[in-house]
Amino acid sequence: QSALTQPASVSGSPGQSITISCTGTSSDVGGYNYVSWYQQHPGKAPKLMIYDVTNRPSGISNRFSGSKSGNTASLTISGLQAEDEADYYCSSYTSGDTLVLFGGGTKLTVL
Amino acid sequence: QVKLVESGGGLVKPGGSLRLSCAASGFTFNEYYMSWIRQAPGKGLEWLSYMTSSGSTIYHADSVKGRFTISRDNAKKTLYLQMSSLRVEDTAVYFCARVLGIGRPDYWGQGTLVTVSS
Repeated sequence: QSALTQPASVSGSPGQSITISCTGTSSDVGGYNYVSWYQQHPGKAPKLMIYDVTNRPSGISNRFSGSKSGNTASLTISGLQAEDEADYYCSSYTSGDTLVLFGGGTKLTVL
Repeated sequence: QVKLVESGGGLVKPGGSLRLSCAASGFTFNEYYMSWIRQAPGKGLEWLSYMTSSGSTIYHADSVKGRFTISRDNAKKTLYLQMSSLRVEDTAVYFCARVLGIGRPDYWGQGTLVTVSS
């Protein structure tokens, strides 16, 4: 199974909104509402930001939101802040033995 | 609170072996799938291996199949990754993560660095 497809980089200015896409297939993103998003700062472990497409874990800012249409899931960050600058990864449940697929990651730069 | 602490990383020569450990606390270890995920320097996350709560199902990615073996000791609340025939391209930070059965790694350890070099 191939990795999920994410743009390599996105950027935005403080206060703006950005959206990161994550494209899979009907066997993963499109077939199940089990898409997660992770934020990773340099040298740190990934942190769960969104799960089950739209849900935020306790303590995660409501500036982070998720959605899905067909085989593509999206992460939107509104009111960009400097501390949002990080790498973002999507993951999805996938049918078959693998269980989990990751996206290739997107580097967010806050200008 | 959930805590995962990896150990066992280090410098090893190509062809060598290493065993990583992941000590878990703050949750009922024997009720959860557990996994290993790695990240090569400057690269993305690679889903490497997982094991169900009872150990009845094990998965290894093709890149490590036959060389790496995941195991767990539920009594010790510890996950292991036995790595053999190590290659330069296995150099990475290795994370352990708790995984929900619906394919969600929710808690991650801080990672342990494995460097394979002569």
